[in-house]
Amino acid sequence: GENVEQHPSTLSVQEGDSAVIKCTYSDSASNYFPWYKQELGKGPQLIIDIRSNVGEKKDQRIAVTLNKTAKHFSLHITETQPEDSAVYFCAAGWFSGGYNKLIFGAGTRLAVHP
Amino acid sequence: GAVVSQHPSRVICKSGTSVKIECRSLDFQATTMFWYRQFPKQSLMLMATSNEGSKATYEQGVEKDKFLINHASLTLSTLTVTSAHPEDSSFYICSASGATTYGYTFGSGTRLTVV
Repeated sequence: GENVEQHPSTLSVQEGDSAVIKCTYSDSASNYFPWYKQELGKGPQLIIDIRSNVGEKKDQRIAVTLNKTAKHFSLHITETQPEDSAVYFCAAGWFSGGYNKLIFGAGTRLAVHP
Repeated sequence: GAVVSQHPSRVICKSGTSVKIECRSLDFQATTMFWYRQFPKQSLMLMATSNEGSKATYEQGVEKDKFLINHASLTLSTLTVTSAHPEDSSFYICSASGATTYGYTFGSGTRLTVV
């Protein structure tokens, strides 16, 4: 079945450093790769996403890269701030006339220390 | 932007009773809704996918008779946990997508505690 692996499970960085989270997916039909930030007791919030026809996308301090051949995609956060501390989830899904089910990675707990 | 409202945010129920969780799309028509379950410090596990007016498609291992999903309108889906037991205690999250929205919009989640 579909599977998404995410690493690392925990990540601790100093404020101002960069953070990188990596994911791999198993279903080659996947064509939509969102990243979510989840704070305690809340639902996931979309922070950035990428479709399979694009290799990289950037939004201010956040960027996502996709390697379709290797089935890898990564989240890059630069100039980290304490408010970036949260759990981050990658996910893989596919769009075909509508959005089909989304499979999540296990999550990465990011801690940014002042 | 697209908004999904999920209620209640927290519920405590006695073992053996049923609990209904509502998920509403406030400003768009949700043709597809998804229900997830999340245990503490774990990922979101997809329970089922429902399309408006159709029966839900359940993921392997999810009991359809225990977790009743209704998606009778384009703005409302409900998840009913029947004969709840303590092991059903979890964080339940819905998400929705529609023809006029981009990606998936998530609700804020429901913390269910069965005592």
